[in-house]
Amino acid sequence: SQQGEEDPQALSIQEGENATMNCSYKTSINNLQWYRQNSGRGLVHLILIRSNEREKHSGRLRVTLDTSKKSSSLLITASRAADTASYFCATLPSGTYKYIFGTGTRLKVLA
Amino acid sequence: GAVVSQHPSWVICKSGTSVKIECRSLDFQATTMFWYRQFPKQSLMLMATSNEGSKATYEQGVEKDKFLINHASLTLSTLTVTSAHPEDSSFYICSARDVGTGGFGELFFGEGSRLTVL
Repeated sequence: SQQGEEDPQALSIQEGENATMNCSYKTSINNLQWYRQNSGRGLVHLILIRSNEREKHSGRLRVTLDTSKKSSSLLITASRAADTASYFCATLPSGTYKYIFGTGTRLKVLA
Repeated sequence: GAVVSQHPSWVICKSGTSVKIECRSLDFQATTMFWYRQFPKQSLMLMATSNEGSKATYEQGVEKDKFLINHASLTLSTLTVTSAHPEDSSFYICSARDVGTGGFGELFFGEGSRLTVL
């Protein structure tokens, strides 16, 4: 089934730096969501961006969506050690009701 | 945000036994719930869509007789792994969408259930 590709697969940065993760997908979508997962835990919803939106902010998070390129990015500014987690994008393809998850980016923020 | 409760959070069982995992939406109604499976350091793979009052819809390659799903009410879906084998060991996560969002809102996830089959 269609699955979003995320890059990088793993990212290691110093505390205070910004972290950028990218998600690409294959077909038109209704919306795209970003989730965070701490090791061995469930997923926590971060941001939902609809297909007619280009950018959304939530605290230190900034998400962009470029439907012409079929891609989205998640920017975490002023990262903290507590941001260490895996981040997944999930797309809802147009005409469907099932979200498809990307491959994920493992972020490690070093104190 | 809405809360989805999943139980048990971890379970160890012997090969050949069956294990039931429950997924409950605590403060909203969910006509549809989704069950995912996640292997270590990998993404979530959709196993099936649980529909309240009707049969579940399974993804290609998922054995419906192996992974029994029951969605008896608007707040509860169960996944039963029948005759479990070591290869069924995995992290199982459920999610639900608030009916009130019209079907296109965010998914709310349970905390996951880690199954280990000896």
